[in-house]
Amino acid sequence: GQQVMQIPQYQHVQEGEDFTTYCNSSTTLSNIQWYKQRPGGHPVFLIQLVKSGEVKKQKRLTFQFGEAKKNSSLHITATQTTDVGTYFCAGDQYGNKLVFGAGTILRVKS
Amino acid sequence: KAGVTQTPRYLIKTRGQQVTLSCSPISGHRSVSWYQQTPGQGLQFLFEYFSETQRNKGNFPGRFSGRQFSNSRSEMNVSTLELGDSALYLCASSPDRGLGGFFGPGTRLTVL
Repeated sequence: GQQVMQIPQYQHVQEGEDFTTYCNSSTTLSNIQWYKQRPGGHPVFLIQLVKSGEVKKQKRLTFQFGEAKKNSSLHITATQTTDVGTYFCAGDQYGNKLVFGAGTILRVKS
Repeated sequence: KAGVTQTPRYLIKTRGQQVTLSCSPISGHRSVSWYQQTPGQGLQFLFEYFSETQRNKGNFPGRFSGRQFSNSRSEMNVSTLELGDSALYLCASSPDRGLGGFFGPGTRLTVL
């Protein structure tokens, strides 16, 4: 079945450093979504990417969707302590199923 | 607008029992999807409802079922509970047909 691999599983950075998490799907996606979940909380929607090669920015966050619509990345510039949490990607296979990556846990040292 | 609400927030049941969880989407949202989150399996899609109809279903046994009412509120039922059903059950709402979206706080189900 469809799989979404997400790496790294865990990243510990110094405040001010950059952070990137990557997702790769085994099948072409209609869209990919990104979520952030704080410990004890629920996933919070960040963004949805639909177009091949799409790049979207939200302040220090940059999201990319690959040309083949099978991979995506989230890049955070100059991390802050408020960025801590688990970042999930979720691949939508043309409305049939939403498959989540395992998530990347981000810890930020101040 | 109020966010997605889920009740109850916490639930403890024993094996063999059944449970019903409720989700009220954001006002005006018509699609509700359900997810199970466990440390071992991560976030897994259960099913999606739109206009009172189940549109999609994940790879879960028939013990997991749901429904959606005319006001878009949705319920999820799990029958014959097993220990492995212990999880955080999340629902998400979106304005139109679509998976994911705005998540509620979840219901933490513990099966003893």
